Amino acid sequence: GDSVTQMEGPVTLSEEAFLTINCTYTATGYPSLFWYVQYPGEGLQLLLKATKADDKGSNKGFEATYRKETTSFHLEKGSVQVSDSAVYFCALKDSNYQLIWGAGTKLIIKP
Amino acid sequence: GAGVSQSPSNKVTEKGKDVELRCDPISGHTALYWYRQSLGQGLEFLIYFQGNSAPDKSGLPSDRFSAERTGGSVSTLTIQRTQQEDSAVYLCASSLGVSATDTQYFGPGTRLTVL
Repeated sequence: GDSVTQMEGPVTLSEEAFLTINCTYTATGYPSLFWYVQYPGEGLQLLLKATKADDKGSNKGFEATYRKETTSFHLEKGSVQVSDSAVYFCALKDSNYQLIWGAGTKLIIKP
Repeated sequence: GAGVSQSPSNKVTEKGKDVELRCDPISGHTALYWYRQSLGQGLEFLIYFQGNSAPDKSGLPSDRFSAERTGGSVSTLTIQRTQQEDSAVYLCASSLGVSATDTQYFGPGTRLTVL
């Protein structure tokens, strides 16, 4: 079945560092890919998405490119801030209706 | 516009009691989903509705769990005879449709604690 694997956390970085959170997927169809973020004490928010190969999703300085050849959707940001501290979830959705989730990666940014 | 809302935000109950969790989706969204987020288990799909019908209930953990949706809008997730392992955050999401490109928008969740 479909699955999502993302790097285990926590990931700890200093402010203004470059961020990469790896995400790879297995799917039989042509899924859409999503990154959701959960800030402390808050609900899940859509951060960005891509619906087909080579699409790049971007939002709030974060980017991720849908790479079909490597079945990846890595999340990147050039310069992180303390306010980016959160748990980040990679997910896919194919012709089925439900989101298939990665385990989540906790990101800690130190000033 | 208004997002997905859920109530209550927190619920503490005693083992064996029944609880009802409510979800108000975004207006106009035909699809509604329930997920559970628990420590060590990650995010787990429970059930989804297309309109008022639930085509797939296979994610419900046991027959103590049930859900309904009325008027194509509000949904209620009911847990009967709660157990301590039911403690989790229950998340509701809605989307315009169920295609692969439809984005699911989440509510803030209901944190359920079973003592």
